[in-house]
Amino acid sequence: RKEVEQDPGPFNVPEGATVAFNCTYSNSASQSFFWYRQDCRKEPKLLMSVYSSGNEDGRFTAQLNRASQYISLLIRDSKLSDSATYLCVVNMGLDTGFQKLVFGTGTRLLVSP
Amino acid sequence: DAGVTQSPTHLIKTRGQQVTLRCSPKSGHDTVSWYQQALGQGPQFIFQYYEEEERQRGNFPDRFSGHQFPNYSSELNVNALLLGDSALYLCASSRGGIATPLHFGNGTRLTVT
Repeated sequence: RKEVEQDPGPFNVPEGATVAFNCTYSNSASQSFFWYRQDCRKEPKLLMSVYSSGNEDGRFTAQLNRASQYISLLIRDSKLSDSATYLCVVNMGLDTGFQKLVFGTGTRLLVSP
Repeated sequence: DAGVTQSPTHLIKTRGQQVTLRCSPKSGHDTVSWYQQALGQGPQFIFQYYEEEERQRGNFPDRFSGHQFPNYSSELNVNALLLGDSALYLCASSRGGIATPLHFGNGTRLTVT
């Protein structure tokens, strides 16, 4: 089983749609989680951290379900500029105290007019 | 405030050769992590340097080695290049600690022919 698993997509949605991505992780002791966004041929950039209580940043909402070991990202009112690959990231560097971020393969989102 | 800088941007090498990639972390950051991203995949953790020592290592052979200098900059060396080493190599910096998000450089695109 992969440490972090995501549906690679692509998810094709029209502008204005709501879309959700899920991601599962294997290490139940993982403590911190992130969503990164990566545009084509660019470096990944932090989109948002994921907190236990769930968190929202504008049109983006992240949720964590520790019991089922998955995190989710919800995007409301999709914009053309949301087209990108969304990477689920789990910190598995627990033993040494240093972060070891493990990335999923990414979910590709295509928003069309 | 300079972000993470990597050099060179692109590189073409032949099988069997050796390559050195360079990274300067974001100002104020002391930890450098290296990732390999093959086409269509998420970044794969290679190793992490802190206080000039390799602190964590991913599942990469000994052909991949690194170094961190007193000014926190870092090098990634790959010996005996294989065709499969062709990828985008990403450097990310952070401050030591579990929850600090990573800041990525633009990457070095390595092509092995």
